[in-house]
Amino acid sequence: AQTVTQSQPEMSVQEAETVTLSCTYDTSESNYYLFWYKQPPSRQMILVIRQEAYKQQNATENRFSVNFQKAAKSFSLKISDSQLGDTAMYFCAFMKRGRGGADGLTFGKGTHLIIQP
Amino acid sequence: DTGVSQDPRHKITKRGQNVTFRCDPISEHNRLYWYRQTLGQGPEFLTYFQNEAQLEKSRLLSDRFSAERPKGSFSTLEIQRTEQGDSAMYLCASSPGHGGDTQYFGPGTRLTVL
Repeated sequence: AQTVTQSQPEMSVQEAETVTLSCTYDTSESNYYLFWYKQPPSRQMILVIRQEAYKQQNATENRFSVNFQKAAKSFSLKISDSQLGDTAMYFCAFMKRGRGGADGLTFGKGTHLIIQP
Repeated sequence: DTGVSQDPRHKITKRGQNVTFRCDPISEHNRLYWYRQTLGQGPEFLTYFQNEAQLEKSRLLSDRFSAERPKGSFSTLEIQRTEQGDSAMYLCASSPGHGGDTQYFGPGTRLTVL
């Protein structure tokens, strides 16, 4: 079984600052995917960024980038030039890539990110 | 196409009653997933379908829970004899069915069991 750990229950930064959210995971799988999802208050979960484990290059999406360290089983999310709309719960998630296709996501407990004006 | 939809958005019921939730995935998405999210926690996987076949069920899915996807389109999740511990947000997600799928989530159904 996989586990995902997010050690920061809450973080608060000023608008325009850069913030890094931590995530570690434990698995015996070699073929898997990692995701960061964002869940704004009372709104649905949306994908921020994803990383294929077989790719060494870190994924980036505009202001969002990851630092994927496969050997250390670490997958942190960096948000640059943070904006008020980035305020949300952020969940790190793991998905193994098994025979026949994908399985369910395993989520961490989340980090509540607050962007202060 | 407007994304994954779920109905109802909120459900309040009394302990012991049966409830049923519906999920309509993004059209042409072959895979459909159900998750449960309690306050302050990340979502927990319950079950998933590839077309109409239920391929995996979590140990969280007790005998009181049943899910169907009869025609490979929408899905229903039924909880029989609800308990207060069933109070949670029930999330549905769908994905295209290719390798390395990204799951797209619906808004969820918030269940409160009194």
